[in-house]
Formats: sequence, C-alpha cells, structure tokens
Amino acid sequence: NAGVTQTPKFRILKIGQSMTLQCTQDMNHNYMYWYRQDPGMGLKLIYYSVGAGITDKGEVPNGYNVSRSTTEDFPLRLELAAPSQTSVYFCASGPRGTGELFFGEGSRLTVL
Amino acid sequence: KQEVTQIPAALSVPEGENLVLNCSFTDSAIYNLQWFRQDPGKGLTSLLLIQSSQREQTSGRLNASLDKSSGRSTLYIAASQPGDSATYLCAVEGNTPLVFGKGTRLSVIA
Repeated sequence: NAGVTQTPKFRILKIGQSMTLQCTQDMNHNYMYWYRQDPGMGLKLIYYSVGAGITDKGEVPNGYNVSRSTTEDFPLRLELAAPSQTSVYFCASGPRGTGELFFGEGSRLTVL
Repeated sequence: KQEVTQIPAALSVPEGENLVLNCSFTDSAIYNLQWFRQDPGKGLTSLLLIQSSQREQTSGRLNASLDKSSGRSTLYIAASQPGDSATYLCAVEGNTPLVFGKGTRLSVIA
C-alpha cells in the first residue's frame, strides 16, 4: 500500500521557471491538501479539494494553481517561480468525515 | 482566524522522564484536534486524533487531552525514550481544514 506519493522529492528552479509537483494517493480518499512548511514554522495550507472537480484556496494560494480531475491525483502547479516559494511542500489526503490525514514524504523546492 | 500556539518551542529531557507538551487554540469551535510527529526530512505521522466530543485519547505511552472550552490540549509522553526525539505538531480542524502550530522540538538524551 503506497499511501500518498509525491514527486519529485527534490527540485531546484530558476526564478521565473514553472513546474508541477505531483501527488497521488491510492486510498480512495475524497479530501486532498497541499501544505508548505518553512523552517521553524508550522504548515500553511495552499489549496485543498473535497472531491474530484472541486478545489478551494487555503491560507497562501498566491503563485500556485491546482486541479483535481481524478480522485487519486492532485497536482500543484507553480507559475513564475520566486525565491519566496522556496519551501518543503507536503501533500496529504483523508477520508470524508473522520478528520484523519495521511501525509506524503514531501517535496523540497529551491528557487534561485 | 484560528491560531494554534505550542509551548515550549524546544525541549530537552533525560531518558525515562515523563513530559508534557502544550497546545492552545483561539477558536473553540473545532471538529477535532490531532497530534502529529515529524522526523527530520520526513512527512508527518498522525499520533492521536481527538474528536470535539472526546476528552482524551491514549496510544501506548502517549496520552492526549482536550479541553475545548478553554482552547487547550496536552500531549503526555510517559517514560520517554531517545526514539521519541522528533518535532511534535498540534493541529485543529474547524470550519477550515487543519491549522497547525509551529511544533515542539523534543530531544530525549540517553
């Protein structure tokens, strides 16, 4: 059982480049989330989805986009990367109504 | 806006000691509260989930309590071990998805 899988694990981008962080879960969870974690800080919510075709902004959505075309996949798109987007990005999923949350291992992004 | 605060930010204890980590939140209208563990360079692992109607949850040497009316939770770790060294994060879910505290970094010294 793979759980929540994130790719890539590490990436270095130049300012202005774009990229997509991939997230896939095999637990048939309705809810999926993208968080970012900066050093010494807690996690901040970027976007979330309560089901295929539905997405909502979190606390820090600027500079990011998401889509949810299937239950399994929830990619996070960074357009015009900026140094402020240097962070560790975590994808998580959970079943409806339980509050449970399962996290991926994270994707470490550096923008230079 | 929900805010979650964890005290202390860091804690170092000798092996075998019992310890308490604290979490407070500003909006008591929550559905649940969770405690997570994060090892360096890793993702988060859920330790205990307390629904708003519950007062505590236990798993092995871990016990988490919830006082929703005062906006507080504690994580009690009994007989600490070096393997308990990690960052512990508290998170609450209410009308918005999980809001996290900044965590407590725990070091258990052998």
